[in-house]
Parts: sequence; structure tokens; C-alpha cells
Amino acid sequence: DAKTTQPPSMDCAEGRAANLPCNHSTISGNEYVYWYRQIHSQGPQYIIHGLKNNETNEMASLIITEDRKSSTLILPHATLRDTAVYYCIVAGISSGSARQLTFGSGTQLTVLP
Amino acid sequence: ETGVTQTPRHLVMGMTNKKSLKCEQHLGHNAMYWYKQSAKKPLELMFVYNFKEQTENNSVPSRFSPECPNSSHLFLHLHTLQPEDSALYLCASSQENLGLVDEQFFGPGTRLTVL
Repeated sequence: DAKTTQPPSMDCAEGRAANLPCNHSTISGNEYVYWYRQIHSQGPQYIIHGLKNNETNEMASLIITEDRKSSTLILPHATLRDTAVYYCIVAGISSGSARQLTFGSGTQLTVLP
Repeated sequence: ETGVTQTPRHLVMGMTNKKSLKCEQHLGHNAMYWYKQSAKKPLELMFVYNFKEQTENNSVPSRFSPECPNSSHLFLHLHTLQPEDSALYLCASSQENLGLVDEQFFGPGTRLTVL
């Protein structure tokens, strides 16, 4: 079972910030929070990941609460091409074996013109 | 373009056919994965290969048979499939280093229809 809880759907106006929440209250100390997205009928695309600190890259920002039980993915200026299903995934560092990602149902983000 | 290619992109097969899905990664990664995505269901991990060795088989029926001849290629051999096996089959790769975190790169998938 996925270790995360996300709202099934959200809307966002084009040009505005999209804030996607994720609850992961059972996260353990060595587990990272990953975000991926999947545009309709394409393969998932990595967005960002973090452990404790907030992270930012060219695609998005990731805000992790101090207790690490929840996080928010922020797309600062959403465009129509950001319409996709966004997955929040918790996964630990593996000891030499390949990492397993357990995908949940994700959040369907629809960016409206 | 993620550096992971899959062929064919679409496949229609009968229940008695044998076919193979191919995945190739051009990223120099050492781990490869097969996922299944059925309609309106989350992605399900099927198999994991690390350094060409299968490390995970998530209770996948034997009618699905993976093969990893080298670290760049991954196959999924299909035989006597059922209509409920119709799905999008996704391949991914990643670079696994002890203690480091790397993302998985996904291919575009093969849309399989079993008649």
C-alpha cells in the first residue's frame, strides 16, 4: 500500500501557483519524499525529492514540514502543460538493491485557462 | 525524450500469441524496472533488475517472463495472456549507488491490448 495520502483532484488557474499537498504521517527517518507526475498516457516524469530541507529546482519547490509528516509541492506559475496526475511517494535508501517506488492514486491537477 | 525507449508503442495480441516488449536505456544506468498500469489503477511494480540480476518479482503471474541480457536492455516476454492483462506497460531505469538517491527515468510505455 502507498504510504501517502493526496487529494484526488485539484484545479488551478493558469499563471497562478499550484500547491499540491501530501500527507505521509508514517514516514521513517531514512525515507525520502519523491514527486513524480504523469501526463495522460505518457510515462511518469520525476519532479523533485527531499529528505528534511525544502528543495527547489527548475520545475518546482518542495516544502516539507518540520515533523516530516506532510509536504507540499509548489508549481510557481502553472501552465496548461502542467495538467497531469501528480504522485507523492515515500521511499527509503536501499542498501545496494534497486529502489522500489510505490505509486498511489495521485492528485489530478487541472490547470484552467 | 527521457533516454529510455520502448518498442512497440502499441501491441494487440490474441490470448494464444507469444510476444515480447523491449526496453532500452541510453543513460548508463544499472537498474531497470517493469511497471504495469491498468485503467484507473495506480502503477504496479512488476519486476526489478539491479546489475542484471532480478531482485524483485512482485507476485507476477508466470505468463509474464522478464529478461535482462545486459544493463541497457530489458525484455518482457508475454505468452497466453488474458484480456485483463491489457494495460500500459512502462519501463524505467535508474542509477543505484549505495546511500545515494536517484530518480527513475520512465519510457513512454507500450499500450497492450489482449483480445
